[in-house]
Amino acid sequence: DTAVSQTPKYLVTQMGNDKSIKCEQNLGHDTMYWYKQDSKKFLKIMFSYNNKELIINETVPNRFSPKSPDKAHLNLHINSLELGDSAVYFCASSQGPASGANVLTFGAGSRLTVL
Amino acid sequence: AQRVTQPEKLLSVFKGAPVELKCNYSYSGSPELFWYVQYSRQRLQLLLRHISRESIKGFTADLNKGETSFHLKKPFAQEEDSAMYYCALSVYNQGGKLIFGQGTELSVKP
Repeated sequence: DTAVSQTPKYLVTQMGNDKSIKCEQNLGHDTMYWYKQDSKKFLKIMFSYNNKELIINETVPNRFSPKSPDKAHLNLHINSLELGDSAVYFCASSQGPASGANVLTFGAGSRLTVL
Repeated sequence: AQRVTQPEKLLSVFKGAPVELKCNYSYSGSPELFWYVQYSRQRLQLLLRHISRESIKGFTADLNKGETSFHLKKPFAQEEDSAMYYCALSVYNQGGKLIFGQGTELSVKP
């Protein structure tokens, strides 16, 4: 009964391809996030949605496009994949900053390898 | 600019030794700070947060606004404490995003 689930867990693909990572949460949270963890284990936020509305969009190439069909889902689509996109992508959710302590619940991560 | 700094990339101690993982932050507002932990092959999870003033798995962390620090401490390290530890700052006026430090890998040797 996973709270935040991501698919796929592993993704190996060629440069130039387009791929998507899906995320779903069953916690009833209002806010969802995508974080990128690079090879040095550094975690950096990419996007955040609150009730299907984009509220955080860091300096991410526009090849990355998040989509939130409803507040329980936040998918990440990546066009024209590059070698530097290889990383572990973490989805997370929270009740949102307005709720007080903004505690994030993370998914298990999706390891993307671009060859 | 908001920033979280964890100066040690790797910290190695022996079982039973005290451990302190350092975290310093830069933030103009009232900080909300957290420690997250990632055990091997597990997902990132909350360890503790400063507003709770709690001790989890023997770990404590005190917010020192004068030194802008939120160091994580445990008096007697255990082998099962070996993991990646991240200090994080919540930025409420920017959608509540968490800014993470670079992470410190704690290795507790038998």
